[in-house]
Amino acid sequence: KQEVTQIPAALSVPEGENLVLNCSFTDSAIYNLQWFRQDPGKGLTSLLLIQSSQREQTSGRLNASLDKSSGRSTLYIAASQPGDSATYLCAANTNAGKSTFGDGTTLTVKP
Amino acid sequence: DAMVIQNPRYQVTQFGKPVTLSCSQTLNHNVMYWYQQKSSQAPKLLFHYYDKDFNNEADTPDNFQSRRPNTSFCFLDIRSPGLGDAAMYLCATSSTYLGDRAPNEQFFGPGTRLTVL
Repeated sequence: KQEVTQIPAALSVPEGENLVLNCSFTDSAIYNLQWFRQDPGKGLTSLLLIQSSQREQTSGRLNASLDKSSGRSTLYIAASQPGDSATYLCAANTNAGKSTFGDGTTLTVKP
Repeated sequence: DAMVIQNPRYQVTQFGKPVTLSCSQTLNHNVMYWYQQKSSQAPKLLFHYYDKDFNNEADTPDNFQSRRPNTSFCFLDIRSPGLGDAAMYLCATSSTYLGDRAPNEQFFGPGTRLTVL
C-alpha cells in the first residue's frame, strides 16, 4: 500500500526566501507525481505534474523534482511572497487512476 | 473556461437524512473522482469512474454511493449521514488519452462543505 509523507507539516519563512518542500513515497511504481496548492476552505489547484520518466518540471518560480529510485520529490519555491501562503500537497498516482496524497505542508510567508 | 463545478458549495443536512452532492465538468475527461477531506488531513479517495467503470476503494463505507449518468456529471450519494461524515467533498477529473497535453493530471472542483446536524 502506497504511503506518502510530507515534512515538515508547517513552515514559516520571511518574504523573499527560497524554500524547499519535501514529499516521500514508499512505492516507487508510480505513474506520475502531482503537486497542488490548497487555500483554506477551497479546492486543490494543480501546480506541477511530473511523469515517472521525467526528473523535473518548472513553472515560473516553482520547480519540482522527482527521484523515483529514492521515493522522493521536492517542490522548490524561489523568492517566496506572502501570496504563496497556503497548504501544499503532493499526490503519487498510479496509471489506473488511483491517487495517494500526503497530509500537506502549511506554508506561511511573512511580509 | 473549461472547469470542474461542484454544487452546492455548502450543504447542511440532518443526521440520517440522505444527501446528494453533484459534480459536473466541461473538460470532457474520461476519469472522475470523489475524495473526502477532513480538517488538516489528506484528501481520501472514496471511488472513481474510469469511463463507465466504477472503482470503489476497499475502505469506503457502504453508506457512500456514486452515479455517473454521462461523461459530464457525477453524483455522490450519502444514504444516512453520520456526524463523522462532516467533511469537505472534492470532485476531480483527469484524462487518460495520450493526445491530451497532460494525461492523468487531476483537476479539482472547489469542493462541497458538508455539515451534519
